[in-house]
Amino acid sequence: DGGITQSPKYLFRKEGQNVTLSCEQNLNHDAMYWYRQDPGQGLRLIYYSQIVNDFQKGDIAEGYSVSREKKESFPLTVTSAQKNPTAFYLCASSINHNTGELFFGEGSRLTVL
Amino acid sequence: AQTVTQSQPEMSVQEAETVTLSCTYDTSESDYYLFWYKQPPSRQMILVIRQEAYKQQNATENRFSVNFQKAAKSFSLKISDSQLGDAAMYFCAYRSARGIQGAQKLVFGQGTRLTINP
Repeated sequence: DGGITQSPKYLFRKEGQNVTLSCEQNLNHDAMYWYRQDPGQGLRLIYYSQIVNDFQKGDIAEGYSVSREKKESFPLTVTSAQKNPTAFYLCASSINHNTGELFFGEGSRLTVL
Repeated sequence: AQTVTQSQPEMSVQEAETVTLSCTYDTSESDYYLFWYKQPPSRQMILVIRQEAYKQQNATENRFSVNFQKAAKSFSLKISDSQLGDAAMYFCAYRSARGIQGAQKLVFGQGTRLTINP
């Protein structure tokens, strides 16, 4: 089955620790995205990547880092510099054409204690 | 910068009835795309319906239809014959038509949680 797999689904970390969220897709999509979802604020774009070895900052990139070494993979690292990291993180992918359709993973909930 | 506003944090409807979710947006562009996404309790978001701004005809997908009012910058979603499986968070989203060959940078609203009462 084609789709997007995010892991882990739930993650607990102590304050000051970096944590990496995994996102893998087998849809052969060129573009991949990371969104952060907070109650009452909708989804906000953290980073996106249109092709391998290239990525761009979204609206709330501070405190986050990404890499795109393979087409299938777009991991997100939440660093200790992120002031309020507790949130629900959604990964998505799309083809690089004007359809507007994003395909989402099931998300990862990060709780910083 | 474009913004999308959903003024109804929560809505509820009786099963089999019709419900309308509201969305307004702010943009200075004339060419763009609007979307409604659904996020059920399983959390995986899916596209419900899409509207191109240059099209005057409102988009329809089975029981889902939109009322697109370009001058008013309004984009509401109507769900007819509501079913229990329609219960979800619904997000309105905007995409500029610029950079059409690139990544799909969507701007999302805050979401409306829809409850279906049996």
